[in-house]
Amino acid sequence: NAGVTQTPKFQVLKTGQSMTLQCAQDMNHNSMYWYRQDPGMGLRLIYYSASEGTTDKGEVPNGYNVSRLNKREFSLRLESAAPSQTSVYFCASSDRRSNTEAFFGQGTRLTVV
Amino acid sequence: QQQVKQSPQSLIVQKGGISIINCAYENTAFDYFPWYQQFPGKGPALLIAIRPDVSEKKEGRFTISFNKSAKQFSLHIMDSQPGDSATYFCAARGTSGSRLTFGEGTQLTVNP
Repeated sequence: NAGVTQTPKFQVLKTGQSMTLQCAQDMNHNSMYWYRQDPGMGLRLIYYSASEGTTDKGEVPNGYNVSRLNKREFSLRLESAAPSQTSVYFCASSDRRSNTEAFFGQGTRLTVV
Repeated sequence: QQQVKQSPQSLIVQKGGISIINCAYENTAFDYFPWYQQFPGKGPALLIAIRPDVSEKKEGRFTISFNKSAKQFSLHIMDSQPGDSATYFCAARGTSGSRLTFGEGTQLTVNP
């Protein structure tokens, strides 16, 4: 049981380049999330998907797009990377009910130079 | 806007001491309050959680205290151990949607 799998684990981009972060979960969860983690800022929600076919903006969506490809997969795309997007990105998933655990992937450490 | 505020940002405790981390929330629609623990290089993992219909929940050395009227909740780690050194996040989630909102995080260091 792999849980939540993110790829890649590390990435260095040049300013202006694009890339897609991949996330897949095998727990049959309805809800999936993308967070970014920065020192002193905690985990900030970028986008989330309450169920297959739906996506909604979180606190910091600017500069990002997402695709809920199917129930298992939720990708995050940076169309034109900026140094301010240097961060650690976490994908998570959970059952849709409010009182259930969210499971996190191992994270992607992204550096934009 | 940060709907869940966490303090302190960092905390140093001696082995055997009590670690206390506090959180305050604004949204009265929140009805699930988990704490997550994160070790370096890893994703956060659920540590303990509480619903607002109880004032306290204890699991081993970890206790959540919840004050609904003050809209505050806290994590107490009794007999803190060096292995507890990690970053701790409080969070909140409501029934109206599925999004989970996190506090800023507390970096806990337990000295041997």
